[in-house]
Amino acid sequence: KAGVTQTPRYLIKTRGQQVTLSCSPISGHRSVSWYQQTPGQGLQFLFEYFSETQRNKGNFPGRFSGRQFSNSRSEMNVSTLELGDSALYLCASSLSPDRNTGELFFGEGSRLTVL
Amino acid sequence: GDSVTQMEGPVTLSEEAFLTINCTYTATGYPSLFWYVQYPGEGLQLLLKATKADDKGSNKGFEATYRKETTSFHLEKGSVQVSDSAVYFCALSRIGGANNLFFGTGTRLTVIP
Repeated sequence: KAGVTQTPRYLIKTRGQQVTLSCSPISGHRSVSWYQQTPGQGLQFLFEYFSETQRNKGNFPGRFSGRQFSNSRSEMNVSTLELGDSALYLCASSLSPDRNTGELFFGEGSRLTVL
Repeated sequence: GDSVTQMEGPVTLSEEAFLTINCTYTATGYPSLFWYVQYPGEGLQLLLKATKADDKGSNKGFEATYRKETTSFHLEKGSVQVSDSAVYFCALSRIGGANNLFFGTGTRLTVIP
């Protein structure tokens, strides 16, 4: 069965631009979470979606947003990019929050570089 | 707030050596605890987990025991292989926030033949 697919894998933007990242979860998984991974801060939770609704949100500014579609695919958007937004953005899927045993299935990530 | 403190790396071991990666946590209530592994060029994957005190998670020769009294979840393996070279992350999830994981900073392990 196909894993979590994230696109694009690599991208370069300049300060002030905005970016949209996409995540297709494993078939049958309805919960999608996003994480930011940087050398300095490690892995930090951004937000979680289930049934097109945001269930939890991490401590990130409003420039970071996301959404989930009816087919469980998810996108995250970062507006007005800053140099500090350079990171690996990871998407993870799971069955559902109620049935979740804590196992998240991660994609390989989208590596964003902001110049 | 919830947090995970993980042993600093990098760690370099010879093949067949004993491995311990320390992990301690701070959390309210009784979180679930996890070890995730990130092999080179791959996404994170769950290595093992424990959901209550004194539970032992195990997989691929790795073990970790949920110690409530010391708030620890140390990862151990008796004999590492070159293929175990990866970055290891300790993580916890709160009750009701199963998909909101708090991760440690990661420990890079390199095993040399």
